[in-house]
Amino acid sequence: GENVEQHPSTLSVQEGDSAVIKCTYSDSASNYFPWYKQELGKGPQLIIDIRSNVGEKKDQRIAVTLNKTAKHFSLHITETQPEDSAVYFCAATNNAGNMLTFGGGTRLMVKP
Amino acid sequence: DVKVTQSSRYLVKRTGEKVFLECVQDMDHENMFWYRQDPGLGLRLIYFSYDVKMKEKGDIPEGYSVSREKKERFSLILESASTNQTSMYLCASSLFSGEKLFFGSGTQLSVL
Repeated sequence: GENVEQHPSTLSVQEGDSAVIKCTYSDSASNYFPWYKQELGKGPQLIIDIRSNVGEKKDQRIAVTLNKTAKHFSLHITETQPEDSAVYFCAATNNAGNMLTFGGGTRLMVKP
Repeated sequence: DVKVTQSSRYLVKRTGEKVFLECVQDMDHENMFWYRQDPGLGLRLIYFSYDVKMKEKGDIPEGYSVSREKKERFSLILESASTNQTSMYLCASSLFSGEKLFFGSGTQLSVL
């Protein structure tokens, strides 16, 4: 089955700096790669996603890049703010497209 | 907005008890999921359902069963709770199979 590795497990940045979280996946048939943000006491919430026919996608301060050849994708957050502090999860679909496999999560801390 | 409601925020049970975790969604979604969240391991899929009375095993189904008698309700059952089932349990629903999951706030289950 699909295996998703996520790094780093914790990330601390100064407010205003950029943050990058990286994930690798194992199944070359995977074609959908979402990112979820989980705030304290809440369930994860989808923040951005990308499909395998696209190399990059942006939404205001967040962007995701995908390298299909290398089987890795990354989340980029620019101009970080304290409210960006949360746990972020990457995920990839299985080859049937009906299941998501999640990475281990990254705890992002943005220091004011 | 989609709302996914989990019946309990915190639950404490004893080893060997039968445990029911309930989840209800209000957006007429076909697909519903049960995940388990443990630190460093991300979210792992226990079971999912793509229709009433239909269920599919996820990555870690052992020790669990599910029930989906109505479209809006998906129940996770621990037949005989064990201490290694102490975890955060997250329910999710989606319109499309493995995409754009909407999560509940989670149930923190402690098995003593």
